[in-house]
Amino acid sequence: GQNIDQPTEMTATEGAIVQINCTYQTSGFNGLFWYQQHAGEAPTFLSYNVLDGLEEKGRFSSFLSRSKGYSYLLLKELQMKDSASYLCAALDSNYQLIWGAGTKLIIKP
Amino acid sequence: GAVVSQHPSWVICKSGTSVKIECRSLDFQATTMFWYRQFPKQSLMLMATSNEGSKATYEQGVEKDKFLINHASLTLSTLTVTSAHPEDSSFYICSARVGEEWTEAFFGQGTRLTVV
Repeated sequence: GQNIDQPTEMTATEGAIVQINCTYQTSGFNGLFWYQQHAGEAPTFLSYNVLDGLEEKGRFSSFLSRSKGYSYLLLKELQMKDSASYLCAALDSNYQLIWGAGTKLIIKP
Repeated sequence: GAVVSQHPSWVICKSGTSVKIECRSLDFQATTMFWYRQFPKQSLMLMATSNEGSKATYEQGVEKDKFLINHASLTLSTLTVTSAHPEDSSFYICSARVGEEWTEAFFGQGTRLTVV
């Protein structure tokens, strides 16, 4: 079956760095997304990786290893507003999004 | 990026009544729209895939007679929750796809439905 695994919850300190991991098993693979979702709001797009390697975009970076079925989202210089859920989603061979359950990130002062 | 507008943002209705949620792509034509439901502390659950001019494809376990989806135009899809019950209370989100090979899903703002 198809499956996305990511930690349920993580806690980090303001100004620090946090890495949120995601492993996936899908029927075919056409890329991996990271979305940010604040409570009561719709997800907002953060990144898309389809090739191996690290993509950096400001304070956020996303990494993909296709051979390992693994991705991570790296958040630097954490700010209180980064407190949110981070959703990992893989695009399968039918271009259907398979969603992880999300990682709730708690930022402490 | 492309904008998807979802309306209403929140709605409270009485048990047994029906509620319609609209999803519009404002600056692009969405050949495919997706309807999701999200319960608290859970991820998005795909309910159905809606293609313009054809019947929606429902995921297993989703009652098509209860959750009516109409995708009448390339910019509008609607989800009607018929005979709503308290267990239908949830966060409903639509998203739209641009083209067949897409690299981003554009989401509406979501609709918080509470059935009392």
